[in-house]
Amino acid sequence: RKEVEQDPGPFNVPEGATVAFNCTYSNSASQSFFWYRQDCRKEPKLLMSVYSSGNEDGRFTAQLNRASQYISLLIRDSKLSDSATYLCVVRYTGGGNKLTFGTGTQLKVEL
Amino acid sequence: GAVVSQHPSWVICKSGTSVKIECRSLDFQATTMFWYRQFPKQSLMLMATSNEGSKATYEQGVEKDKFLINHASLTLSTLTVTSAHPEDSSFYICSAVDRAHEQYFGPGTRLTVT
Repeated sequence: RKEVEQDPGPFNVPEGATVAFNCTYSNSASQSFFWYRQDCRKEPKLLMSVYSSGNEDGRFTAQLNRASQYISLLIRDSKLSDSATYLCVVRYTGGGNKLTFGTGTQLKVEL
Repeated sequence: GAVVSQHPSWVICKSGTSVKIECRSLDFQATTMFWYRQFPKQSLMLMATSNEGSKATYEQGVEKDKFLINHASLTLSTLTVTSAHPEDSSFYICSAVDRAHEQYFGPGTRLTVT
């Protein structure tokens, strides 16, 4: 079983739609959680950190459920520019600054 | 935000040759840098942790004699792919960690071995 699992998609949604991605992680010693965005042939860029109480940044909302070892990302009012691969990333306690990446979920926002 | 550069951006080389990739933190010092590899439609896989002034720590399954890492200064780490083969063709990405433990990624180097 992979340490961080995501549905690879692709998710094709119309512009303006609301879309949610899920991620599960297997190591209960996980300490920090992030969502990264990666465009084709580019490096990943931090979208947002995920906090236990849930957090929002504009159209993006992240949720964490430690009991279920589950992380989610909600995107409201999708834009064409949101088309990318979204990577769920976990940092483990005692792992230093090492990050473990999920395989990513591809989103395509269409007209 | 902090900037990390990588050179070259892309490289095409013949099988059997060696290729060096540089990773630089441009406006901060990084005692730790990471090297990742990403194959098409797959996630980033950590190859090794590069620590300034000491030997790199390699992840399981990564050949340390094939992927030579040197972290000679607080702003530079290099990855040398020795005797490259077509299966080494991939997207190599580095990241650098600043004093606040924030991790910044380089733009990546696309290696194609013919």
